[in-house]
Amino acid sequence: DTEVTQTPKHLVMGMTNKKSLKCEQHMGHRAMYWYKQKAKKPPELMFVYSYEKLSINESVPSRFSPECPNSSLLNLHLHALQPEDSALYLCASSQVMEGSNQPQHFGDGTRLSIL
Amino acid sequence: SQQGEEDPQALSIQEGENATMNCSYKTSINNLQWYRQNSGRGLVHLILIRSNEREKHSGRLRVTLDTSKKSSSLLITASRAADTASYFCATDDLILTGGGNKLTFGTGTQLKVEL
Repeated sequence: DTEVTQTPKHLVMGMTNKKSLKCEQHMGHRAMYWYKQKAKKPPELMFVYSYEKLSINESVPSRFSPECPNSSLLNLHLHALQPEDSALYLCASSQVMEGSNQPQHFGDGTRLSIL
Repeated sequence: SQQGEEDPQALSIQEGENATMNCSYKTSINNLQWYRQNSGRGLVHLILIRSNEREKHSGRLRVTLDTSKKSSSLLITASRAADTASYFCATDDLILTGGGNKLTFGTGTQLKVEL
């Protein structure tokens, strides 16, 4: 079992639908991340939140909208997605320690299919 | 763009043998991390090695880092069937504004350990 919980595990949606992915951690981590992973490829960073503020947006299309309502929760709102957006979406969290890189803890992901 | 290239792309060995995976990267790094990903699951952190370290051990894992060659290797000794997974190196840069760290993953090595 992972300490980062992602829901739902699977999601199938049409291109006109609006849905949200959810991520929760209770490790007291103050940095949270969204990654996109295509089959047989490495994860690619999408967004980073630190202390509930967006610190990195890796030029992600606006049809993906992140939200961090509190220090334990991270959402990814989806609207008008394209078939090429089908992928595994991974959430991660880490401690924030000044001047020190920390390991990231990953959830098991949401497997998203766009029809 | 991907920072690291991993070699080999796929590796098949017998249980009890050692497995070595190599990672090369392009630019200077602060730290390098190794992660494992079982099929259909999230990533699990294995080892973080800092740029001023040359070797690090954790159980059956040994990681080396050669910053002059911009390369790292992961050695798994006495492999087990449960080690079957994809292994990724990731260069690790601190996010100076706000906190957290940015991971850029290599292409990954798929390891299969057969009984």
